[in-house]
Amino acid sequence: IQMTQSPSSLSASVGDRVTITCRASQSIDNYLNWYHHKPGKAPKLLIYAASSLQSGVPSRFSGSGSGTDFTLTISSLQPEDFATYYCQQSYSSPRTFGQGTKVEIK
Amino acid sequence: QVQLVQSGAEVKKPGASVKVSCKASGYTFTSYYMHWVRQAPGQGLEWVGIIKPSDGSTAYAQKFQGRVTVTRDTSTSTVYMELSSLRSEDTALYYCAREIVGAPRQFDYWGQGILVSVSS
Repeated sequence: IQMTQSPSSLSASVGDRVTITCRASQSIDNYLNWYHHKPGKAPKLLIYAASSLQSGVPSRFSGSGSGTDFTLTISSLQPEDFATYYCQQSYSSPRTFGQGTKVEIK
Repeated sequence: QVQLVQSGAEVKKPGASVKVSCKASGYTFTSYYMHWVRQAPGQGLEWVGIIKPSDGSTAYAQKFQGRVTVTRDTSTSTVYMELSSLRSEDTALYYCAREIVGAPRQFDYWGQGILVSVSS
């Protein structure tokens, strides 16, 4: 299953609302996860099963969608949110990732 | 607390093999799959393979078939990944990550990453 994210990168300011989309090449029900990754650190799970917030993750992060189209929204961008975001399908093996969306400071 | 502690950085020559480890603690080792994911310089996350510690069953990404072997030692709660016939393109950070057996399916804890450098 191929996962396609858009955009590949974006520039935003602290406090902005940011939306990242992810499209699967076939239906994956709600088996869609979102991760946040900073260089040299382990990726961090933000959202699982399309819309469930991982324990300890701030509520400014939210996810939606099912089937083939999914969205990650950051309601008010904070300095620590500048990173690369990946979607991942867990509907079937291999557990493929999107190509990533780099969120940079404007 | 859950921890996945990976072994140290490796430097290898092309054609060699590397075996890296991921030691789990703080949870029931056999209740979670363990995946290996890598990130080459400037690239995204790429899934490498998976092991089910309870029975040792494995699956690998097609591009690594024949070159990668993932094993486990239940007595020490450690998973190993061996990659052979190394080439420069295998230079990457290699992460282990756990996924609960059953649903929902997500990688909720990750190791700190191991840098494997392949250079002549």
